[in-house]
Amino acid sequence: AQSVSQHNHHVILSEAASLELGCNYSYGGTVNLFWYVQYPGQHLQLLLKYFSGDPLVKGIKGFEAEFIKSKFSFNLRKPSVQWSDTAEYFCAVISDYNAGNNRKLIWGLGTSLAVNP
Amino acid sequence: DSGVTQTPKHLITATGQRVTLRCSPRSGDLSVYWYQQSLDQGLQFLIQYYNGEERAKGNILERFSAQQFPDLHSELNLSSLELGDSALYFCASSVSTGGGASGGELFFGEGSRLTVL
Repeated sequence: AQSVSQHNHHVILSEAASLELGCNYSYGGTVNLFWYVQYPGQHLQLLLKYFSGDPLVKGIKGFEAEFIKSKFSFNLRKPSVQWSDTAEYFCAVISDYNAGNNRKLIWGLGTSLAVNP
Repeated sequence: DSGVTQTPKHLITATGQRVTLRCSPRSGDLSVYWYQQSLDQGLQFLIQYYNGEERAKGNILERFSAQQFPDLHSELNLSSLELGDSALYFCASSVSTGGGASGGELFFGEGSRLTVL
């Protein structure tokens, strides 16, 4: 079965520190990759996505992620975090592992990021 | 605003009771997904409907059921409630079943917070 692993469950950083959150998935075929963010008390929203093309994807609020097919990874990065980046971050993958209407998003368990001012 | 509407936002009830959560998807979206988010289990996929038909099932308990109506709104019914059912229930929608043009991108509502006492 497909799976998505987020290695860091809780991350605490100081403002201006650099961020990298790991995401690995288990299937080696064609994938679409997503990072969603959930700010405290809010709904999940899309941060960035990769479908095809340039493996370095830029999202909102200065976030970026790099798809490395050989490593089955889609790590999220930000050079300098802010207090307002405190949130929970979810990696999700949809692949052609299950064809047609059986395709579905597989979610990681999430990483809670706390940024201290 | 994601365009996905969930009601009620907050609900407090007693064990053994039954509640119904409602979701209106974004205009034009045919798929509706239900997720449960709790502190100890993270984001759990419950069930997906596409154009009125059940499309995928996740970790949904037998005490829970859902349906999608002809106008595409969906309801999640939770019965014989237990303390452990206290959670945030999210609805999300997408244009397709998970493949297709949206490639799996979901738009989330703000959630219904259920507290079972």
